[in-house]
Amino acid sequence: NAGVTQTPKFQVLKTGQSMTLQCAQDMNHEYMSWYRQDPGMGLRLIHYSVGAGITDQGEVPNGYNVSRSTTEDFPLRLLSAAPSQTSVYFCASSRGREQPQHFGDGTRLSIL
Amino acid sequence: DAKTTQPNSMESNEEEPVHLPCNHSTISGTDYIHWYRQLPSQGPEYVIHGLTSNVNNRMASLAIAEDRKSSTLILHRATLRDAAVYYCILSRPGGNQFYFGTGTSLTVIP
Repeated sequence: NAGVTQTPKFQVLKTGQSMTLQCAQDMNHEYMSWYRQDPGMGLRLIHYSVGAGITDQGEVPNGYNVSRSTTEDFPLRLLSAAPSQTSVYFCASSRGREQPQHFGDGTRLSIL
Repeated sequence: DAKTTQPNSMESNEEEPVHLPCNHSTISGTDYIHWYRQLPSQGPEYVIHGLTSNVNNRMASLAIAEDRKSSTLILHRATLRDAAVYYCILSRPGGNQFYFGTGTSLTVIP
């Protein structure tokens, strides 16, 4: 089983560029979420989705957009990359809000 | 949403039990208590979660205080593979937050 797959694993962008981080899960989970983790810090919730067609903001949503057109996929879009968005991004999925979350391996993003 | 307080770091000898504490004095009656751990350069991994009663699984045990203002994650026999950052998290049904905080960095000494 693939679980939660994130692509790409690494990416370098220039300030102002846009990009989409991909997240796919094959467990038919309704709940999916995106986090960012800055060096020496815990994870912070960016956006989440409780099912296809439904998304909501987390703790740090500014500068990011999400959509959920299918149960399997939950892409994260950076509209105009800024150096402050340099971070490691994790996608997670679970059967429900209170159920164990399965995390991907992360996307390491650097913005110059 | 309620947040948690954990020690920044702890050490344990290999094959000894480890008790990782977490304070959550502002917990509400419907908040779940979750524990995750993160090994270096990996995504977080679910460990255990509970609401009111103590919980056991193959990885660990979760002891919840009677007033629910604190909890303890118990690793029964620490191994070198248990060296990680452990996060104690509260979640509220219908809420939109899942605060990881900075966690406790566990060092296991051979």
